[in-house]
Amino acid sequence: QVQLQESGPGLVRPSQTLSLTCTVSGASISGGGYYWTWIRQHPGKGLEFIGYIYYSGSTYYNPSFKSRVTISVDTSKNQFSLKLSSVTAADTAVYFCARDIQYGSGGLDYWGQGTLVTVSS
Amino acid sequence: EIVLTQSPATLSLSPGERATLSCRASQSVSSYLAWYQQKPGQPPRLLIYDASNRATGLPARFSGSGSGTDFTLTISSLEPEDFAVYYCQQRANWLRTFGGGTKVEIK
Repeated sequence: QVQLQESGPGLVRPSQTLSLTCTVSGASISGGGYYWTWIRQHPGKGLEFIGYIYYSGSTYYNPSFKSRVTISVDTSKNQFSLKLSSVTAADTAVYFCARDIQYGSGGLDYWGQGTLVTVSS
Repeated sequence: EIVLTQSPATLSLSPGERATLSCRASQSVSSYLAWYQQKPGQPPRLLIYDASNRATGLPARFSGSGSGTDFTLTISSLEPEDFAVYYCQQRANWLRTFGGGTKVEIK
């Protein structure tokens, strides 16, 4: 059974960097075939795609985040991470990690439970 | 960016009734469209992928149809556990996008 689990601080100060890690079990990131994805959801709102990474390190970021976002992967730990810099209150959200199919049939088939990150001084 | 517009925003129905949810794309996404269900405090759950394929274990009362720009999720007979928010999502291009969601509530 594939499981994803987000971890990281629940409170981040304005202008600082939000850092989260997603630990994957039951599947190997280095096995290929999937994009490892970050998505967020503002309280009571819809879903927003942040970006994804392939095991090789190739990334794609939502342009709306401009240069603030970095996603990295550590295949030795079977983890991938999100860094979002210069945060403001508008970055307060539940952050999800998820697995997305690279090619062929499928969708975002496994998700973490999500972690609430609050940006406040 | 491909914009997905879901309608209606809210659907008020009774258990046993049929639910029809719509998702319209601003440009063709071929069949690269998925549907998700989200309940409070939970992550989204994949229901339908590639427009019409049911995810593993999904009851047959859920079905998806459409291609190009117009898609439909149908729940043939609502069960109490089906009252939730439903999102569509496209993977036709690198920038994945989601619709704004349809809340299916108990009438």
